[in-house]
Amino acid sequence: DTAVSQTPKYLVTQMGNDKSIKCEQNLGHDTMYWYKQDSKKFLKIMFSYNNKELIINETVPNRFSPKSPDKAHLNLHINSLELGDSAVYFCASSLEGNIQYFGAGTRLSVL
Amino acid sequence: KQEVTQIPAALSVPEGENLVLNCSFTDSAIYNLQWFRQDPGKGLTSLLLIQSSQREQTSGRLNASLDKSSGRSTLYIAASQPGDSATYLCAGSRVSSGSARQLTFGSGTQLTVLP
Repeated sequence: DTAVSQTPKYLVTQMGNDKSIKCEQNLGHDTMYWYKQDSKKFLKIMFSYNNKELIINETVPNRFSPKSPDKAHLNLHINSLELGDSAVYFCASSLEGNIQYFGAGTRLSVL
Repeated sequence: KQEVTQIPAALSVPEGENLVLNCSFTDSAIYNLQWFRQDPGKGLTSLLLIQSSQREQTSGRLNASLDKSSGRSTLYIAASQPGDSATYLCAGSRVSSGSARQLTFGSGTQLTVLP
């Protein structure tokens, strides 16, 4: 029944590793998003895909690469992880610009 | 560039009180404004969405207003309960492309309702 699901919920890894976070929505939405919430709880948009096409790409290091295999999935791959990447990453989706529904978040800790 | 500010950063009230959370934004050309609730360690739950053409929305004990001319939105919570304790976030959206809407979030108001 989960509308927007992210995996894993927790991710602990060493600096320099490559990791992926997966997101899936079963709401039939046409747009998906990735947000980052830093240690001060501030949420900021990273990427948005509309019908598998990249629409929003904020100032994010190119170590972050979103991949959308279909409209229901938007995965986030991060290369060469750094300490500053530690944060909570949220996936969200919406239909025709209306309410955005968020996943439960992935807490990434880079050691 | 849109900036969203929320005041106060934290608020503590006794159970049963009515309260108002404030949100201000710098760009009046917003598409819509959303209020969210975030519980510790959890994701965001959408509470209310106000389209730019609307002035308010109501859901149960919650009422959100939008005044584009002054760049302000308020979230009114009636008869507060301990279960309302959470961080409340407002976010203004603008049109990006197609149906994508870029949300700019405030830093949130952490509400504690004391029993």
